[in-house]
Amino acid sequence: DSGVTQTPKHLITATGQRVTLRCSPRSGDLSVYWYQQSLDQGLQFLIQYYNGEERAKGNILERFSAQQFPDLHSELNLSSLELGDSALYFCASSVVSGRANTEAFFGQGTRLTVV
Amino acid sequence: AQSVTQPDIHITVSEGASLELRCNYSYGATPYLFWYVQSPGQGLQLLLKYFSGDTLVQGIKGFEAEFKRSQSSFNLRKPSVHWSDAAEYFCAVGAWQAGTALIFGKGTTLSVSS
Repeated sequence: DSGVTQTPKHLITATGQRVTLRCSPRSGDLSVYWYQQSLDQGLQFLIQYYNGEERAKGNILERFSAQQFPDLHSELNLSSLELGDSALYFCASSVVSGRANTEAFFGQGTRLTVV
Repeated sequence: AQSVTQPDIHITVSEGASLELRCNYSYGATPYLFWYVQSPGQGLQLLLKYFSGDTLVQGIKGFEAEFKRSQSSFNLRKPSVHWSDAAEYFCAVGAWQAGTALIFGKGTTLSVSS
């Protein structure tokens, strides 16, 4: 158990709909990352938050957005869903010790299926 | 451009045989390097990491990896593979700067034959 909790584990929804994925980081971790894993693209970095602020953006579509709340949990919002958005979405968290980076701990992922 | 290349998409190894999974990276800053493993239906678990110091690092489950700066490589090895090692393995690179995201390779699927 990595200590990172993602809900729900599975989600099936129709095209055009909007969903919200939730992530609770490990206790004490200030950084939260969202990744999308698909068969053709592999693991793609979407977005990172650090202590409530957006820190970095990767290959995140404009239809997708995220936020990190004061209690450090994060939500990834996916809207106007398309079939191609079907993927495994991972959240990861890491502790930031001073200025140094450390490894990221991953949740079990949310399997999104768009039908 | 920053990238990680895992040249082997799929490898099959006999149980008890040795294993080497290749990883090459391209990164502008001093790299931090990681190997993660993903079992079917599971999240990613960290096997080992390299930040600095000894270029041969030991990880969990009997895995080790060697950082070779001159070759921009960070290959994962295990002297004797067990059937339970069958999984997908990901190499990743990150920066020293706090909170930067990891860049992953596309992964290598390991099958273990008896």
